[in-house]
Amino acid sequence: AQKITQTQPGMFVQEKEAVTLDCTYDTSDQSYGLFWYKQPSSGEMIFLIYQGSYDEQNATEGRYSLNFQKARKSANLVISASQLGDSAMYFCAMSPTGNQFYFGTGTSLTVIP
Amino acid sequence: SQTIHQWPATLVQPVGSPLSLECTVEGTSNPNLYWYRQAAGRGLQLLFYSVGIGQISSEVPQNLSASRPQDRQFILSSKKLLLSDSGFYLCASCTGYNTEAFFGQGTRLTVV
Repeated sequence: AQKITQTQPGMFVQEKEAVTLDCTYDTSDQSYGLFWYKQPSSGEMIFLIYQGSYDEQNATEGRYSLNFQKARKSANLVISASQLGDSAMYFCAMSPTGNQFYFGTGTSLTVIP
Repeated sequence: SQTIHQWPATLVQPVGSPLSLECTVEGTSNPNLYWYRQAAGRGLQLLFYSVGIGQISSEVPQNLSASRPQDRQFILSSKKLLLSDSGFYLCASCTGYNTEAFFGQGTRLTVV
């Protein structure tokens, strides 16, 4: 069974500081994709970053980076220089080769001025 | 990139009434399509996914059903709504495991 675990229901970070949101996954597939999405209070799902299971380098997109540790099955999101607009729910997701697309339970991030 | 059209944005329905939520996709062909439900403050629960016309896989047995009558159309239905069907429903489209899923704006369903 495929499973995504996000163990931090809520996180606080000071503005301009960095924050790490944890994500672990479980799959028996060799090929899979890992994703992070942001969901503001409006409900829309905003794609942030992607990491392929065969990518050797950690993915980066602007202030977002993904700390991928394949042996530990973890895919943590690092947000650098936090901004007030980063306050939102963050979801880790995995797409194994079976065409499904699974999400974790999310982490609520609050950026403090 | 893909555009996902989902409507209506909000819906209030009485218990026992039928439901039909429609999702259409622009900008790609033969996508994988997904229906998710999100309870308030919770994660996304995968309800159904489809890899092609007429092909529906159910992740969670429940009061809902899905259909894919056309390549870029995905419909979520119920014959009789329950109070527990309330939630935020999201449609998504994806073209492979190594590409991101694109989401519609969602439908907030309240069953009263």
